[in-house]
Amino acid sequence: RKEVEQDPGPFNVPEGATVAFNCTYSNSASQSFFWYRQDCRKEPKLLMSVYSSGNEDGRFTAQLNRASQYISLLIRDSKLSDSATYLCVVNNAGNNRKLIWGLGTSLAVNP
Amino acid sequence: EPEVTQTPSHQVTQMGQEVILRCVPISNHLYFYWYRQILGQKVEFLVSFYNNEISEKSEIFDDQFSVERPDGSNFTLKIRSTKLEDSAMYFCASTLLGNQPQHFGDGTRLSIL
Repeated sequence: RKEVEQDPGPFNVPEGATVAFNCTYSNSASQSFFWYRQDCRKEPKLLMSVYSSGNEDGRFTAQLNRASQYISLLIRDSKLSDSATYLCVVNNAGNNRKLIWGLGTSLAVNP
Repeated sequence: EPEVTQTPSHQVTQMGQEVILRCVPISNHLYFYWYRQILGQKVEFLVSFYNNEISEKSEIFDDQFSVERPDGSNFTLKIRSTKLEDSAMYFCASTLLGNQPQHFGDGTRLSIL
């Protein structure tokens, strides 16, 4: 099983649609979870951290299910500017704090 | 908002030459990282650095690679004898505490000819 696994997509959705991305991780000792966004040939940028209780930031909602080792991201009322690759990222246990990255899910929001 | 800065933005080098990629992490951060991303592939961890020493390195980070924090502000990645397969985007990141999100620089695009 891959350390962090995501459906690569691409997801093609019309403006205003709701889209959901899923991610699974293999290390049950993982401590922190994030969604990053990456535009073509740019650096990854933090979209949001993911908490066990679930958290929302505007149109974005993230959920974590530790028992199933599953993370999700929901984007409501999608905008053209949401077109990007969404990266599921897990911070492993231990002192090194390195991030383990999924391959990313590509989203294209169409007019 | 404080930023991680990386220079140069693009480096073109002949195979076999040495390159040094430079990063200035956010000033009060304690943990520093290098990642790379080959075009079309996922971001890959190279090395983490804390308290003036490497805390972990990946299989990619072989004897050709080294890191330094020479003066308390810069954090450099050196590749001693570059290979074609070293061509990639190299990202520097830093964080204050281990479980907090890491902040990334804009990256250096390294092209080996």
